[in-house]
Amino acid sequence: GAVVSQHPSRVICKSGTSVKIECRSLDFQATTMFWYRQFPKQSLMLMATSNEGSKATYEQGVEKDKFLINHASLTLSTLTVTSAHPEDSSFYICSATLGGNTIYFGEGSWLTVV
Amino acid sequence: GQQLNQSPQSMFIQEGEDVSMNCTSSSIFNTWLWYKQDPGEGPVLLIALYKAGELTSNGRLTAQFGITRKDSFLNISASIPSDVGIYFCAAALGETSGSRLTFGEGTQLTVNP
Repeated sequence: GAVVSQHPSRVICKSGTSVKIECRSLDFQATTMFWYRQFPKQSLMLMATSNEGSKATYEQGVEKDKFLINHASLTLSTLTVTSAHPEDSSFYICSATLGGNTIYFGEGSWLTVV
Repeated sequence: GQQLNQSPQSMFIQEGEDVSMNCTSSSIFNTWLWYKQDPGEGPVLLIALYKAGELTSNGRLTAQFGITRKDSFLNISASIPSDVGIYFCAAALGETSGSRLTFGEGTQLTVNP
């Protein structure tokens, strides 16, 4: 079946640096990808919706200059956390859909900012 | 903004017991979904519901899309230890499961052998 893969699965970075997380659809072309953030013991909160070739649509309260999203191809979207701080430490999950019929989630990426 | 209220927040049951959890909203949604998430992993789709009143089963799992389109429930029958995890409801305004999703707060299920 369809698979969405995230990389890296775990990353530790120093405060003030930037870190990039990749989301790939492995066997289908994803017209839309979604990025979520999940704090421990909490629900998934949608950060942004990303359509290939266009600017991402950010949810209210999500800083677009801090969380840069690029969806340059139909199989790859990237989330870059710029100038990361400890409060950005979280589980980041992407999902992808082809034409809006079915959504597939990635395995998630743990970010720890020290 | 749109919000899903999921209950209960947690459940502790004995193996073999049945489980029921539900989600309600003040807004109408056109698609309801139920996911299971294991620690450190992404959510996995269990059941998708696309029509008000629809009742759908997947093995020991049964879910219903409320007739008002503002609620849904998930039942798990004859629970087993591997049912342990966090269950999330999710809903979309669109009529497909690939639309923008809103998630409930989750139900943490613990099954004692």
